[in-house]
Amino acid sequence: GAGVSQSPSNKVTEKGKDVELRCDPISGHTALYWYRQSLGQGLEFLIYFQGNSAPDKSGLPSDRFSAERTGGSVSTLTIQRTQQEDSAVYLCASSPLAGGVFTDTQYFGPGTRLTVL
Amino acid sequence: DAKTTQPPSMDCAEGRAANLPCNHSTISGNEYVYWYRQIHSQGPQYIIHGLKNNETNEMASLIITEDRKSSTLILPHATLRDTAVYYCIVRVITSGTYKYIFGTGTRLKVLA
Repeated sequence: GAGVSQSPSNKVTEKGKDVELRCDPISGHTALYWYRQSLGQGLEFLIYFQGNSAPDKSGLPSDRFSAERTGGSVSTLTIQRTQQEDSAVYLCASSPLAGGVFTDTQYFGPGTRLTVL
Repeated sequence: DAKTTQPPSMDCAEGRAANLPCNHSTISGNEYVYWYRQIHSQGPQYIIHGLKNNETNEMASLIITEDRKSSTLILPHATLRDTAVYYCIVRVITSGTYKYIFGTGTRLKVLA
């Protein structure tokens, strides 16, 4: 079946502009995660959605970052007034985690490479 | 605030077993250990996970010490396609939600 898809695959923008990154999770997966990976670094957790619960936004680096998940499916990560330090690969993952289940596997998308000039 | 430490890089001869260590000395009783790998320019790929028992699947084996402070991922017969960055991750639960704490991983190079 289809995996996690992300769009665009690459995005080049100018400093100060807003960008929107999209994630289409695997159908039926209730949990959705956003991560950021700077060049040569590990993954940095940004935000987590689980079903209809309020998202865990504890990883968002500043108030310029926001995310939403409409209808429990597609998610959009928005970065306002982009800065050069926002340049990174933004990865989305989904998981079939269900309430009360203590194990889950995340399925990652290919990522969006954001370059802020 | 990574909860895991791994060597930055390792080499392994093709066909030999690759043993990748991970320290997670501050792990709590209900926190699972996950392993993922990331091949260049791709999203991370799940390998295996465990709590306290050793685990094996078609990709790898996971050996967790009795005190759970460290673990080893074993690729029994490494191939060139196993060259990747391997992440040992602890899944923590805070305020009822799950969070995966990624470290910087081990860059495994399988040599022909």
